[in-house]
Amino acid sequence: ILNVEQSPQSLHVQEGDSTNFTCSFPSSNFYALHWYRWETAKSPEALFVMTLNGDEKKKGRISATLNTKEGYSYLYIKGSQPEDSATYLCAFEGSQGNLIFGKGTKLSVKP
Amino acid sequence: NAGVMQNPRHLVRRRGQEARLRCSPMKGHSHVYWYRQLPEEGLKFMVYLQKENIIDESGMPKERFSAEFPKEGPSILRIQQVVRGDSAAYFCASSPVRGIYLNNSPLHFGNGTRLTVT
Repeated sequence: ILNVEQSPQSLHVQEGDSTNFTCSFPSSNFYALHWYRWETAKSPEALFVMTLNGDEKKKGRISATLNTKEGYSYLYIKGSQPEDSATYLCAFEGSQGNLIFGKGTKLSVKP
Repeated sequence: NAGVMQNPRHLVRRRGQEARLRCSPMKGHSHVYWYRQLPEEGLKFMVYLQKENIIDESGMPKERFSAEFPKEGPSILRIQQVVRGDSAAYFCASSPVRGIYLNNSPLHFGNGTRLTVT
């Protein structure tokens, strides 16, 4: 059974704080690692898709890194804002194209 | 420029009835994924389909659940003889053709169908 683990489960930070969360995944049959942002009452939206060991991607204040050898990825948010409040999901994509999601990290940013 | 369309948004069924959930992928997308979200849980993979083919149905219960993605028309997730435990939000996502040697495309999600079994 393929396991994708995310930690922490939830996180409460103050506006302006920087934060990061972890996604761990199997290192075998790896093809890509996805990050999605899921706001309440909306559908998940893609942030990043990473494939190569050592990949780093950035979109505004959000960035992500990938270590395929040890099977983990970090998502960083610099200077959190209330509008960053959402659940952040990572998903492991195997070589067949299937995507398995973690349970997510729920981020709440207080003004 | 329509995104992934799921309907209905809300579906109420009595125990024992059938539920049919529809998903129209984005234009040009030939791959469809179905996920189930139970209360307090994340997205659980159910099935991955290409046009007219099931690629991976390892997450789908063996009984009562089936999925199809015909050559023409939307993908359908069908739940026969629904039980209360089937109550959940069902999300569909689509992507262009995937594969080891092709682009690393993200999934595009629909807004989900919330199924309530009474």
